[in-house]
Amino acid sequence: AQSVTQPDIHITVSEGASLELRCNYSYGATPYLFWYVQSPGQGLQLLLKYFSGDTLVQGIKGFEAEFKRSQSSFNLRKPSVHWSDAAEYFCAVAGGSYIPTFGRGTSLIVHP
Amino acid sequence: GAGVSQSPSNKVTEKGKDVELRCDPISGHTALYWYRQRLGQGLEFLIYFQGNSAPDKSGLPSDRFSAERTGESVSTLTIQRTQQEDSAVYLCASSLAGRSEKLFFGSGTQLSVL
Repeated sequence: AQSVTQPDIHITVSEGASLELRCNYSYGATPYLFWYVQSPGQGLQLLLKYFSGDTLVQGIKGFEAEFKRSQSSFNLRKPSVHWSDAAEYFCAVAGGSYIPTFGRGTSLIVHP
Repeated sequence: GAGVSQSPSNKVTEKGKDVELRCDPISGHTALYWYRQRLGQGLEFLIYFQGNSAPDKSGLPSDRFSAERTGESVSTLTIQRTQQEDSAVYLCASSLAGRSEKLFFGSGTQLSVL
């Protein structure tokens, strides 16, 4: 079975500060990992994905994520947050199944 | 349009009534997914269609829920005898086949059961 844990329900940062959103997965082999963003009033959009190769992946909007097998983690990072980054962020894993399992999401609040 | 289209965008119904939600996937996408998102919760998988294969219905919460898809086109999700706990946003997504492929989501149908 595959599962995803996003331990932080809410994260608050100041505009311009760095950001790290945590994601831990459970799957026996190398999984396919994704981060999606859900902005207010908009559908979910893929930020980035990992399925092999370089463990540091770059995505859209200046986001990056690092796959760490030893920690079963795929944390999302951004060096400088913009007010427009305020949204709900979902980590997802697709292991042996073609059906991605999503975490419960982390709500990002950006203070001016 | 170029994206995944869902209708209606909002649906208010009375407890006990049946509802039908529609999803138009991106043309050429063989895979189609339905998820449910309750307020403040993550995405809960409901059902998965891949081409002409038998759908994976393992996520359907009860026999009141059913879904159909005609070939690789439109899908409908039907909820019979709606209950208040069915209130949620129902999201549809489509993708090309393969575990590494990204999902393209629609804007969802907000279902409210009074």
